[in-house]
Amino acid sequence: AQSVTQLDSQVPVFEEAPVELRCNYSSSVSVYLFWYVQYPNQGLQLLLKYLSGSTLVKGINGFEAEFNKSQTSFHLRKPSVHISDTAEYFCAVSGRNAGNMLTFGGGTRLMVKP
Amino acid sequence: EPEVTQTPSHQVTQMGQEVILRCVPISNHLYFYWYRQILGQKVEFLVSFYNNEISEKSEIFDDQFSVERPDGSNFTLKIRSTKLEDSAMYFCASSSQPIVSSGNTIYFGEGSWLTVV
Repeated sequence: AQSVTQLDSQVPVFEEAPVELRCNYSSSVSVYLFWYVQYPNQGLQLLLKYLSGSTLVKGINGFEAEFNKSQTSFHLRKPSVHISDTAEYFCAVSGRNAGNMLTFGGGTRLMVKP
Repeated sequence: EPEVTQTPSHQVTQMGQEVILRCVPISNHLYFYWYRQILGQKVEFLVSFYNNEISEKSEIFDDQFSVERPDGSNFTLKIRSTKLEDSAMYFCASSSQPIVSSGNTIYFGEGSWLTVV
């Protein structure tokens, strides 16, 4: 079984500042890792995913994440945020033998202030 | 941009009533899913569906729940005899390949908010 922990439920940040949203996972098997974003009144949209290969993954809207196997982490980063980045961000994991099931973290609400 | 569409966006139902949530997955997708998110809690997997049968389901997906692909375009979630604790946002999703495929992306709909009173 897998589990995902997003350590921060809310992250306030000023516009143009860098941000890191933390995600740690636990699993007894190798995993695939995902970040989804949910803008107000919208569905879940895939930001980026790690399946294999380079541990630094670049996604849409200038976001990137780094897979760290030794620390079982997959933190999301953006060097300079915009007001439009205000949303809920979800980290998710799928075990490589877990079929098609995604296990989500509790979400982090990113609040970008002017 | 292809999208998964869900109806209704919001439904209020009385406890004990049956509810059907509808989803139109992306047209060439073969794998379908339902997830739910109770207010303030994590997004939870309910069920996955492939080749006209359930491929996986979670402990949440008990006999109260059922899924169906009644025609070539719709994918429905039926909740029989709803309970207060079924109040949640229900997300439908679809993908062209399984998660384990490197080419896969799961697309989610905007959700159906169910309130049981």
